[in-house]
Amino acid sequence: QKEVEQNSGPLSVPEGAIASLNCTYSDRVSQSFFWYRQYSGKSPELIMSIYSNGDKEDGRFTAQLNKASQYVSLLIRDSQPSDSATYLCAVNRVGFGNEKLTFGTGTRLTIIP
Amino acid sequence: DGGITQSPKYLFRKEGQNVTLSCEQNLNHDAMYWYRQDPGQGLRLIYYSQIVNDFQKGDIAEGYSVSREKKESFPLTVTSAQKNPTAFYLCASSIPGSTSNEQFFGPGTRLTVL
Repeated sequence: QKEVEQNSGPLSVPEGAIASLNCTYSDRVSQSFFWYRQYSGKSPELIMSIYSNGDKEDGRFTAQLNKASQYVSLLIRDSQPSDSATYLCAVNRVGFGNEKLTFGTGTRLTIIP
Repeated sequence: DGGITQSPKYLFRKEGQNVTLSCEQNLNHDAMYWYRQDPGQGLRLIYYSQIVNDFQKGDIAEGYSVSREKKESFPLTVTSAQKNPTAFYLCASSIPGSTSNEQFFGPGTRLTVL
């Protein structure tokens, strides 16, 4: 079992709809969770971080964390063509210090105009 | 402007050559990291450093070396011992000791072996 798993996609969503991206992790004591957006040929950009169970909203983005189910998701409302990118989930593993993040392989999202 | 710079943007290496990738940051972050990304794969940690003059191996350190002589700089050398070095190399930095460990990335260096 991979430590951080994401559906590789591609996930196609019509413009204006809600895009839902999912991530599961195996280390039950993980503390911090991050979503990065990566455009083709570019470096990852941090768009959301979440540390507590529940929802965290920032503009059109909502991160959801359920530690009991070891599940973190990212919702993108009113999807725009500029949201087309690969989204990477990252998890900070407790017990290895604060210095190591583990990344999923990413979900490729395409917004269809 | 605060940020992380990497150079060069593109790098070509011949078989048997060592090459050094540069990473500089002016964010006053203590921790710095090197990752490798291959097509269709996530980021894999090569080396990291939480403080000057100290660094640790990540998950795929074989064939790589680093130094951390200054807080701002964390160069990565890809040695001839690295058998498959063609990849996208990413440098990141963060504030260690924080529970969040939010990491911020430089623009990356794309290395190709000829």
